[in-house]
Amino acid sequence: DGGITQSPKYLFRKEGQNVTLSCEQNLNHDAMYWYRQDPGQGLRLIYYSQIVNDFQKGDIAEGYSVSREKKESFPLTVTSAQKNPTAFYLCASSMKWSGNTEAFFGQGTRLTVV
Amino acid sequence: GNSVTQMEGPVTLSEEAFLTINCTYTATGYPSLFWYVQYPGEGLQLLLKATKADDKGSNKGFEATYRKETTSFHLEKGSVQVSDSAVYFCALSSAGYSTLTFGKGTMLLVSP
Repeated sequence: DGGITQSPKYLFRKEGQNVTLSCEQNLNHDAMYWYRQDPGQGLRLIYYSQIVNDFQKGDIAEGYSVSREKKESFPLTVTSAQKNPTAFYLCASSMKWSGNTEAFFGQGTRLTVV
Repeated sequence: GNSVTQMEGPVTLSEEAFLTINCTYTATGYPSLFWYVQYPGEGLQLLLKATKADDKGSNKGFEATYRKETTSFHLEKGSVQVSDSAVYFCALSSAGYSTLTFGKGTMLLVSP
């Protein structure tokens, strides 16, 4: 089955730790995205990538980093510089970089700072 | 910049009631408009979309019409079911860009 796989589903981070969230897609999509969801705030764009080896900051990139070494993979690292990392993180992909293209979402990773 | 405003929830309805969730937007040019649905603990799924003025998107009994003159994209369904209980997000993407700007989401609760 084609789709987007995020792992892990739940992740706990201690203060001062970096953690990496995995996102893999087998849809052969060019574009990939990371969004953060907080209760009552909708989704906000962290980073996006239009093509392999290229990515751009979204609206809330501070404290996060990404890489896009392979077309199917777009991991997100939440660094210790992110002041309030507890949130639900959603990875998405779309076939091409175009305004009317449907985005497909993964099941999400819930990150909690302990 | 782009923005999306949708009605706050939760919206509580009885089964078979009529549903309207209001959505208005601010954007330059001619954005594409989307409704996504999120079931508890899951990611988002595309419900419907419209890419130009006066287009009507529809899926699973839900409908929304792209109204450029009122910058709106209200979601409607004639008869809701318990299984429609979820959070609904209105979103837009600017022409030539595929990043999405989301509203804050509206929770729908349908009781038997």
